[in-house]
Amino acid sequence: SQTIHQWPATLVQPVGSPLSLECTVEGTSNPNLYWYRQAAGRGLQLLFYSVGIGQISSEVPQNLSASRPQDRQFILSSKKLLLSDSGFYLCAWSPPSGEQYFGPGTRLTVL
Amino acid sequence: GNSVTQMEGPVTLSEEAFLTINCTYTATGYPSLFWYVQYPGEGLQLLLKATKADDKGSNKGFEATYRKETTSFHLEKGSVQVSDSAVYFCALSDQWGGGSNYKLTFGKGTLLTVNP
Repeated sequence: SQTIHQWPATLVQPVGSPLSLECTVEGTSNPNLYWYRQAAGRGLQLLFYSVGIGQISSEVPQNLSASRPQDRQFILSSKKLLLSDSGFYLCAWSPPSGEQYFGPGTRLTVL
Repeated sequence: GNSVTQMEGPVTLSEEAFLTINCTYTATGYPSLFWYVQYPGEGLQLLLKATKADDKGSNKGFEATYRKETTSFHLEKGSVQVSDSAVYFCALSDQWGGGSNYKLTFGKGTLLTVNP
């Protein structure tokens, strides 16, 4: 069966510091991968998606970037965090049938 | 573009009450429809799905029917439990770029609280 991992689970970072969040998927190959942010108030915002190694599409301009160095690895990064980057970050993968399966999330607090 | 509208709540019910969370959508083509559930501090879990008109998705006592004529996918459960307290998201799947590439459009979520 397929599983999706995210780490770290919780992160507290100062403004201006760098960020690296990692997501890995097991038990499948060539998945589509997604990064979402969920701010307080529950709504989900799609940040990036990837259909293959090195292929990244950005949904909104922002302070973040994404990379996919391996088939089942998806990384969310920032060179300098802003207060507004705080939130709950969710990684997801999808099979060809279109539904998405989410990881446990990373709670990021920028102080 | 595509959109999903769901009742924002919060919805507060007593245990064993009947639950309905309304969801309507706007989409071109024939999207698949989903309900996800998010428990506090966790990621989203796929609760049920329907891929074509008149399909009924069901899981854990929850069910929803894909109604193309009313563009709706309302979530129902006959008897809720305290453990059903969570945020529920309605979503539709939008194919893009041909092949097996999809993006989900989510509603804003509905907070359900079930009291004993």
